[in-house]
Amino acid sequence: GENVEQHPSTLSVQEGDSAVIKCTYSDSASNYFPWYKQELGKRPQLIIDIRSNVGEKKDQRIAVTLNKTAKHFSLHITETQPEDSAVYFCAASINDMRFGAGTRLTVKP
Amino acid sequence: KAGVTQTPRYLIKTRGQQVTLSCSPISGHRSVSWYQQTPGQGLQFLFEYFSETQRNKGNFPGRFSGRQFSNSRSEMNVSTLELGDSALYLCASSISTGRDNSPLHFGNGTRLTVT
Repeated sequence: GENVEQHPSTLSVQEGDSAVIKCTYSDSASNYFPWYKQELGKRPQLIIDIRSNVGEKKDQRIAVTLNKTAKHFSLHITETQPEDSAVYFCAASINDMRFGAGTRLTVKP
Repeated sequence: KAGVTQTPRYLIKTRGQQVTLSCSPISGHRSVSWYQQTPGQGLQFLFEYFSETQRNKGNFPGRFSGRQFSNSRSEMNVSTLELGDSALYLCASSISTGRDNSPLHFGNGTRLTVT
């Protein structure tokens, strides 16, 4: 099955700074790449997704980029706020959805 | 629309016992996937069901099984529980199968503790 690697495992930034989380996938046939945010004690929730026919997608302060040739995709959060603190998961999907190990983002006020 | 509902929220079992977890998907969603979440391991894929058929299976032993009913509700069973099975089990539903690239909607999970 698909194998997704995610880095870094923890990330600490100052409020207002940008945060970048990177993922790589193994199966070149994967064609859907969502990102989920999981706050402490809560369910993972979709924050943005991108399909393989698109190179970049933006939604307010968050953006995702996809490099199909290199098989990697990234999440960018600008102007971070304390409420962005959570665990973020990337995923890649071909027949089923496989997730990275997660990145714990801490935004310090 | 009601979200994905998982029952029970918490379970404590003893090694060697078996357990059944339940998941009711969002109305209209026909695909149900199960994941095991442990600290540092992220979300490990267990299996996906669509129209009462198992479509895909992750790398878990045969002690982990599931099924889906005609109303799309799904159950997951773990037999001969081991200490390492302690985890949060998340169910997620989507409109169609993983091949169709529909977003997953997660439930709150069932926290299983094996003693």
